[in-house]
Amino acid sequence: GAGVSQSPSNKVTEKGKDVELRCDPISGHTALYWYRQSLGQGLEFLIYFQGNSAPDKSGLPSDRFSAERTGGSVSTLTIQRTQQEDSAVYLCASSISGTGVGYTFGSGTRLTVV
Amino acid sequence: DAKTTQPPSMDCAEGRAANLPCNHSTISGNEYVYWYRQIHSQGPQYIIHGLKNNETNEMASLIITEDRKSSTLILPHATLRDTAVYYCIVRVNTNAGKSTFGDGTTLTVKP
Repeated sequence: GAGVSQSPSNKVTEKGKDVELRCDPISGHTALYWYRQSLGQGLEFLIYFQGNSAPDKSGLPSDRFSAERTGGSVSTLTIQRTQQEDSAVYLCASSISGTGVGYTFGSGTRLTVV
Repeated sequence: DAKTTQPPSMDCAEGRAANLPCNHSTISGNEYVYWYRQIHSQGPQYIIHGLKNNETNEMASLIITEDRKSSTLILPHATLRDTAVYYCIVRVNTNAGKSTFGDGTTLTVKP
């Protein structure tokens, strides 16, 4: 597609439920990044994919968070047993390997845990 | 990645140039300076990047000091739509991992 697509755009879930957030990067972009942004805060790195591999998972806040990427394309971020502190905007970005043009971000998924 | 320091906020009059500074005194020789901005409720948008030469594109100009320890993003004729948080980051110019976004500068363009 023309840009990075994220779905859903908004998600309200009950505490304790599992959620899946989807990111569809720009076609041909080999690198994919997940960030989250709590209200009024900066961007917090979660995980980075190069192809289907995740060389850097250092930002995942707990073992309730996991992510996968298949076919070098779509990525899914899963949060198990959601907590209220998980409420944030989850942003996905992609970039072409080696060009240094910069990331293209999606519009994000706003997750609210009630 | 090297750490950056930016003022938390700045104001600019509409139509005037906005000059946003960034300090990156610990930058390494192979690290580039990148600028992004985030307009309220949207994902960040890439603006420009550079290594040591000044750069210009349709959005902005980037001036990097000769010692590379600081840079300035210039919006030549700021409009109300340029009101956003502007992030300066430094990183190696590959896909070798994450970019670290600091708190950025909130630029408010006023009529």
